[in-house]
Amino acid sequence: GQNIDQPTEMTATEGAIVQINCTYQTSGFNGLFWYQQHAGEAPTFLSYNVLDGLEEKGRFSSFLSRSKGYSYLLLKELQMKDSASYLCAVPHNQGGKLIFGQGTELSVKP
Amino acid sequence: DARVTQTPRHKVTEMGQEVTMRCQPILGHNTVFWYRQTMMQGLELLAYFRNRAPLDDSGMPKDRFSAEMPDATLATLKIQPSEPRDSAVYFCASGWGGLGSEAFFGQGTRLTVV
Repeated sequence: GQNIDQPTEMTATEGAIVQINCTYQTSGFNGLFWYQQHAGEAPTFLSYNVLDGLEEKGRFSSFLSRSKGYSYLLLKELQMKDSASYLCAVPHNQGGKLIFGQGTELSVKP
Repeated sequence: DARVTQTPRHKVTEMGQEVTMRCQPILGHNTVFWYRQTMMQGLELLAYFRNRAPLDDSGMPKDRFSAEMPDATLATLKIQPSEPRDSAVYFCASGWGGLGSEAFFGQGTRLTVV
């Protein structure tokens, strides 16, 4: 089965950098997703990693280490609108059964 | 623009009543997921379909929940009878189903059972 661990909440300052960690245990690996969810809204896709290393996409980057069962989401130049829950998710198998972590609630303060 | 559509957006019902939630996946997507989200449990997968066939509904309480896809444009999640502990936001999501394919979420149905 799958087990996904993320910190429950984090606080950071506008303009700063924050790193949100995710550790996972899974039987078979088919990549790792990060989603963003604003309060009262649906989750939206941020990134997908299947190979080790850092994937950069504007202010957001996602890192994966398959040997360590570890990923992080890096948010740079934080803005108030980045206050949201960030969810780490792994597929149970190829293309199916996407299992989510509990999410990390990020609060960005002025 | 293409999006997953869920109805109703909000539902308040009395305990014991039947509740039906509907989802229209994005045209062409072959995988549909139903999730339930609560503060305590986070996003839990209830069921998912591939090409309209149920692949896994192990996350769903079988005695009261049922999920179907009558056709490629409609997925339904039914609760009968509903209980207060079913109060949650229910999300439908759809995707292409291949490796690395993201799931696109609908806006959710906020269900309150009193």
